[in-house]
Amino acid sequence: NAGVTQTPKFRILKIGQSMTLQCTQDMNHNYMYWYRQDPGMGLKLIYYSVGAGITDKGEVPNGYNVSRSTTEDFPLRLELAAPSQTSVYFCATREGSSYNSPLHFGNGTRLTVT
Amino acid sequence: DAKTTQPNSMESNEEEPVHLPCNHSTISGTDYIHWYRQLPSQGPEYVIHGLTSNVNNRMASLAIAEDRKSSTLILHRATLRDAAVYYCILRDGNAGGTSYGKLTFGQGTILTVHP
Repeated sequence: NAGVTQTPKFRILKIGQSMTLQCTQDMNHNYMYWYRQDPGMGLKLIYYSVGAGITDKGEVPNGYNVSRSTTEDFPLRLELAAPSQTSVYFCATREGSSYNSPLHFGNGTRLTVT
Repeated sequence: DAKTTQPNSMESNEEEPVHLPCNHSTISGTDYIHWYRQLPSQGPEYVIHGLTSNVNNRMASLAIAEDRKSSTLILHRATLRDAAVYYCILRDGNAGGTSYGKLTFGQGTILTVHP
């Protein structure tokens, strides 16, 4: 049981380039989340999904897009990378139907935009 | 979401108990108290959560004040592996609310464990 797997682990982008951060889970959880963590700060929610085909914005969605075509995968797309998007990105799933069920996080993708 | 206040940092010695405090004076009746920790270069990891009663699991204990305005995460015997940032988070337990189960992270407490 791999849990939440994020790829790549590290990436350097030039300003204006695009990329997709991959997130896949094998726990059959319906809820999935994308967070970003800037140096020395807590995590901020970018997008979330309550199931295949359903996504919605979190606190800081500008500059990002998501899709959820399957339960397992929840990719995050950066279309025009900017230095402000330099951060560590974490994908998470939520077990169970309760709003209080624990979240399970991947180990993150460290992105640098120069 | 109601706000939590934690000390910026704490230190402990290995094999000793650690008490990590959290203040949440504006907690509502439906807010659960959650604790997560983040080890260096890893994603956050769930530790424990509770509503009113004290809670125990294999990782830690959670002591909740009677008025629920504060709580304490207790690590019974700290190890070097417990060195991490510990986040105290309030989550709305109202299933009909708009919180969609998200976590709102603050700055957390950096725990240093000395050998």
